[in-house]
Amino acid sequence: AQSVAQPEDQVNVAEGNPLTVKCTYSVSGNPYLFWYVQYPNRGLQFLLKYITGDNLVKGSYGFEAEFNKSQTSFHLKKPSALVSDSALYFCAVRGGTSGTYKYIFGTGTRLKVLA
Amino acid sequence: GAVVSQHPSWVICKSGTSVKIECRSLDFQATTMFWYRQFPKQSLMLMATSNEGSKATYEQGVEKDKFLINHASLTLSTLTVTSAHPEDSSFYICSARSQPNYGYTFGSGTRLTVV
Repeated sequence: AQSVAQPEDQVNVAEGNPLTVKCTYSVSGNPYLFWYVQYPNRGLQFLLKYITGDNLVKGSYGFEAEFNKSQTSFHLKKPSALVSDSALYFCAVRGGTSGTYKYIFGTGTRLKVLA
Repeated sequence: GAVVSQHPSWVICKSGTSVKIECRSLDFQATTMFWYRQFPKQSLMLMATSNEGSKATYEQGVEKDKFLINHASLTLSTLTVTSAHPEDSSFYICSARSQPNYGYTFGSGTRLTVV
């Protein structure tokens, strides 16, 4: 079965410091991986995705994520955190087999950037 | 970019009444839309897949008669919560596939409170 794990409920980081939000996955076939951000009472905003190609994916707002097949991980990173990055972050996976169009979301990680 | 408009953004209704939530793709056609439910401090749970011109596909455990989904056109899907009860109070989010390479756009969500 497909699954996504975000082991940290919350991550605190000082403004200006690098941040990492962790995600591991389990899928059959090739994984299609995504990161989304959610602000209070809002829908999800797309940050980046990995379908194929380079393991380091660059996305919106200076975020990037590294796909590691051997560790089945897709950690979200940013070199220098901003207070405005404080939000809820979701990792998601979509199975690569034909006909599987469903997203499986992780439980979310709340990022708090401290001024 | 692709925009999915969800309306209303919040609604309060009395127990026993029905509430309709609309999800519109504003600048693209969406043959498939998805409806999610999000409980406080929890992840998004896929409720159903809405297919234009055909019946929705519901996830296991989701009551079809309570959560009626209609996808009558390529730009509109509706979710009707029938005979709402306080336990139906939640944040509902729709999404649509907006790009050929697995790009999905999410609506801004609807906060439903049943009193």
